Amino acid sequence: KAGVTQTPRYLIKTRGQQVTLSCSPISGHRSVSWYQQTPGQGLQFLFEYFSETQRNKGNFPGRFSGRQFSNSRSEMNVSTLELGDSALYLCASSLAPSRANTGELFFGEGSRLTVL
Amino acid sequence: KNEVEQSPQNLTAQEGEFITINCSYSVGISALHWLQQHPGGGIVSLFMLSSGKKKHGRLIATINIQEKHSSLHITASHPRDSAVYICAHGGSQGNLIFGKGTKLSVKP
Repeated sequence: KAGVTQTPRYLIKTRGQQVTLSCSPISGHRSVSWYQQTPGQGLQFLFEYFSETQRNKGNFPGRFSGRQFSNSRSEMNVSTLELGDSALYLCASSLAPSRANTGELFFGEGSRLTVL
Repeated sequence: KNEVEQSPQNLTAQEGEFITINCSYSVGISALHWLQQHPGGGIVSLFMLSSGKKKHGRLIATINIQEKHSSLHITASHPRDSAVYICAHGGSQGNLIFGKGTKLSVKP
C-alpha cells in the first residue's frame, strides 16, 4: 500500500513568487491536513480538508490556501512568498477528520521550500 | 490557551539505556499523539492514545488524563532510535497542537 506522497520534495523560489505543493494521500483516506515546520516555531497546523471541504484552518495569513480534489489529492498554495515562508511543509492523511480524534495520521516526507 | 510542554528538550543516552520523554498539556483532550521525526524530515506516527498504556516493540506510551500528562518510554535504546520525538493533541478547532519536540541521541 503506497504511503503519502508529496511533491516536489525540494524547491527554491524568490520573494514575491508563488508556489503550489501537492499531497497524494493513502488510498481510501479522505482527510488531508497540512503543517508548516520551521526551526523557530516548530510544527504548526495550516489547514485540513475532508471530502473536498476545508474543515479547519490555522492562524496563517490568506496567502496560504489549499484545496482538495474528488480523488482526495490536495494542493496548498502560497502566494507572494516571503523569506519567512522558508520551511518544511508536511501533509498527513487519515481515514477520519482530526476533530473526531479517531484517525491515526500518516505523514508524507515533506516539501522543503527555500525562499531567497 | 492550548499548550504542550515536552521535557527534556535534548537527551543523550548510551545504547541499552531506558529512556523517558514527558509531555504535559493544559486542556482536556480526547487523544494524544506521539510522533517520531528522523533527520530526513519524514514523520512517523508512533501512538495515538486516549487512556492507559500502549506498547509497540520497545516503545511504550502512557497517558494520565486527570493529570494531563503522557510519557513515552524506550526500553533497550539503540542508535537507530535517534530522532526527534513530538507529542501533539487535538485543539478546540480540530487542529493539532504540537510540542517543541525532544531530540534524542543514542550513542553506541
